[in-house]
Amino acid sequence: QSALTQPASVSGSPGQSITISCTGTSSDVGGYNYVSWYQQHPGKAPKLMIYDVSNRPSGVSNRFSGSKSGNTASLTISGLQAEDEADYYCSSYTSSSTLAVFGGGTKLTVL
Amino acid sequence: EVQLVQSGAEVKKPGESLKISCKGSGYSFTSYWIGWVRQMPGKGLEWMGIIYPGDSDTRYSPSFQGQVTISADKSISTAYLQWSSLKASDTAMYYCARPRARGLMAVADPPGYWGQGTLVTVSS
Repeated sequence: QSALTQPASVSGSPGQSITISCTGTSSDVGGYNYVSWYQQHPGKAPKLMIYDVSNRPSGVSNRFSGSKSGNTASLTISGLQAEDEADYYCSSYTSSSTLAVFGGGTKLTVL
Repeated sequence: EVQLVQSGAEVKKPGESLKISCKGSGYSFTSYWIGWVRQMPGKGLEWMGIIYPGDSDTRYSPSFQGQVTISADKSISTAYLQWSSLKASDTAMYYCARPRARGLMAVADPPGYWGQGTLVTVSS
């Protein structure tokens, strides 16, 4: 069982917006602003999409945004495109372990 | 540009040993933690352990302590993941990864950069 809880799957139609949640505790997501989100296409390495809750690395589309409320972080993808279909993982700094923790992953299907 | 370049795919038999590598470039190798993430077929991401090449301080996830060895050669900016006796259950994709922030305090930060992955297949 993963330390952070994500929905197993979400779906949306092209052009719509979707949100993926990532729920932890006050020892990780809720206590620190060190939440990252990754996109992983089949057979590819994870790609950093959001870091420090809401910051986008250079080159990542502004259709991707991150936020946090309490112990839950969220990734929102607006203007959904077919190429957004992938697995998405969250990760957070944690004070209760030596290493960062991951969520179990969410499969995004673009209908 | 930060790059992490991993060694190629491996096919091994149970009981054999293996060492895979990850070469960092584009940054000061000794100033950032670098670690290994396992992804079993169809499954999620798991941190295995991490090393600080500057002083070789190494931390392991409890699930992997004693099962693998992580090391680094700072003279060639390369980190390693090693098994002494592989099992079929070690079949997975292995990624090296590095936090965005530098320094010892970043040990528990989420990964910011990833290698391309090394597929390890263990089968008799």
